[in-house]
Amino acid sequence: DVVVTQSPLSLPVTLGQPASISCRSSQSLVFSDGYTYFFWFQQRPGQSPRRLIYKVSNRDSGVPDRFSGSGSGTDFTLKISRVEAEDVGTYYCMQGTHWPHTFGQGTKLEIK
Amino acid sequence: EVRLVESGGGLVQPGGSLRLSCAASGFTFSNNWMHWVRQVPGKGLMWVSRINSDGSYINYADSVKGRFTISRDNSKNTLYLEMKSLRAEDTAIYYCVEGEAEYWGQGTLVTVSS
Repeated sequence: DVVVTQSPLSLPVTLGQPASISCRSSQSLVFSDGYTYFFWFQQRPGQSPRRLIYKVSNRDSGVPDRFSGSGSGTDFTLKISRVEAEDVGTYYCMQGTHWPHTFGQGTKLEIK
Repeated sequence: EVRLVESGGGLVQPGGSLRLSCAASGFTFSNNWMHWVRQVPGKGLMWVSRINSDGSYINYADSVKGRFTISRDNSKNTLYLEMKSLRAEDTAIYYCVEGEAEYWGQGTLVTVSS
């Protein structure tokens, strides 16, 4: 299975400050069709996961533009330009290129 | 509005069986891959199974292969997960997930315990 290693696992951030989460996969995530099926999700306490970013860098409808995704191949990053209180939760990266699809371990973002 | 509503979870003894359902609405169900993803409460996410639009292509995680069966009824816009020989480690919230994971259900809790 493709292993997706996420860091950090805990991320205390001051309101208004930037935050960054990294994921590294054990294999290239470029699919045969040329797309890279790499996603970011936010899970607030007591809720289902919510997709934020698809195919590395495309923001979902309704996702604030302070969230951005980047990367290629095996290394990917989610950045929040200015953290707000509503951003508290756990963030997961996921690869959908290889079966089984696999998630990172999750990063718990809290306000300092 | 896209809706995915899971049902069928509950308490079952080890070795028992359960059938989960996911009723879909708000999109063309028969055009989409569908998935089951599970999460032990308070822990991470794990992909369980996927099925293509017409049910002809199916994959399972190794940990459930031979025990779980995914299926769909496009005439009823419903996804299923038949779970047999359940183990304590299958205890989790099971989410129904659409296509490229844009839409998730609210989840249904399966508890395997004596």
